[in-house]
Amino acid sequence: GAVVSQHPSRVICKSGTSVKIECRSLDFQATTMFWYRQFPKQSLMLMATSNEGSKATYEQGVEKDKFLINHASLTLSTLTVTSAHPEDSSFYICSAPRGGDYGYTFGSGTRLTVV
Amino acid sequence: KNQVEQSPQSLIILEGKNCTLQCNYTVSPFSNLRWYKQDTGRGPVSLTIMTFSENTKSNGRYTATLDADTKQSSLHITASQLSDSASYICVVIKYGGSQGNLIFGKGTKLSVKP
Repeated sequence: GAVVSQHPSRVICKSGTSVKIECRSLDFQATTMFWYRQFPKQSLMLMATSNEGSKATYEQGVEKDKFLINHASLTLSTLTVTSAHPEDSSFYICSAPRGGDYGYTFGSGTRLTVV
Repeated sequence: KNQVEQSPQSLIILEGKNCTLQCNYTVSPFSNLRWYKQDTGRGPVSLTIMTFSENTKSNGRYTATLDADTKQSSLHITASQLSDSASYICVVIKYGGSQGNLIFGKGTKLSVKP
């Protein structure tokens, strides 16, 4: 089956520092990776779409300079939260489609806490 | 407006009992509908995928139904187990356009008590 490995699962960082989250597709090539943010008791909100070899597409209201996305290879996409602030504390999840509109596989999520 | 509404927001049942979760949507054009199970602090895991022509689909103790005319879906859980405690998310995929056209419901938080 399709597996997306997401690391780290949990990270605590100080305000002003940067945090990198990685998502790797283990048994398929992910030319596209979606990055979501989820607040408690809320649904997943799409932040951006990364495409291998090209610039990421950001949703309205998401600061591209704050949430840096890199999709350097067909199996790796990264999200870097720069100059993190406590309000960036959230649950971040990646997802890769496999085969058209079928088979979206989600990573296990990263709980980011900024203190 | 493309929306996915789930009910109830939360549900508590005793182990061994059955339950049914509801999902109403206004997404158009419709491609398919998925139910996901999300354990606390984990990413969603797919339970079922239903296309326009499918009315019922089962996956073990999970049975999903879809009425494309009324734009309603349900997820029925039979003989619940403690491990079923999680959030269940209904996701509707819009047809065509970007592959990012996933419309998420807010989920139903299910708690199964012994």
